[in-house]
Amino acid sequence: EDKVVQSPLSLVVHEGDTVTLNCSYEVTNFRSLLWYKQEKKAPTFLFMLTSSGIEKKSGRLSSILDKKELFSILNITATQTGDSAIYLCAVEAGGSGTYKYIFGTGTRLKVLA
Amino acid sequence: GAVVSQHPSWVICKSGTSVKIECRSLDFQATTMFWYRQFPKQSLMLMATSNEGSKATYEQGVEKDKFLINHASLTLSTLTVTSAHPEDSSFYICSARGPGLQYFGPGTRLTVL
Repeated sequence: EDKVVQSPLSLVVHEGDTVTLNCSYEVTNFRSLLWYKQEKKAPTFLFMLTSSGIEKKSGRLSSILDKKELFSILNITATQTGDSAIYLCAVEAGGSGTYKYIFGTGTRLKVLA
Repeated sequence: GAVVSQHPSWVICKSGTSVKIECRSLDFQATTMFWYRQFPKQSLMLMATSNEGSKATYEQGVEKDKFLINHASLTLSTLTVTSAHPEDSSFYICSARGPGLQYFGPGTRLTVL
């Protein structure tokens, strides 16, 4: 059975700290791994990763994928209170024409002022 | 960018009634749309994959007679929760497969009294 596991489940840090969120997966026919940020409504897209070892960066956020070890990390540096959210990892997998997203459990991040 | 809308954004109904939720891709055509359910403090759970012009594919454990999905056009999919009960109260999110990604709607919060 396909599964995506995130750790930690929750995290509380202070502004300015750096955090690393983890996502490991076991799926059939991996296509891509995605990171989303969810506040009160629907998830907002952060990154899509398809190749191993290539870091994607957007401001204070960065992410990298290891397809050999089947995991990805999301780093947030100099955290701010606005980074408080649930961070979701999803893996797109499946057969040709039937790709779907399998979401992990999410990591709930709270950044204290 | 690709935009997906959902309507209504929230709905309260009495137990035993049916509720219809619409998901529209506003600026692109989507042959495939997805319906997710999210319980408080949990991740997104895929309920079904909706394909335009054909029957939806339901995930294991999701009752197809309770959650009716219709994907009548390339820009509209609907989810009808039939004979709703309090345990159906949840956050329902749709997504549409667009250029390179799934694009998520803002979600519909359903409360069944």
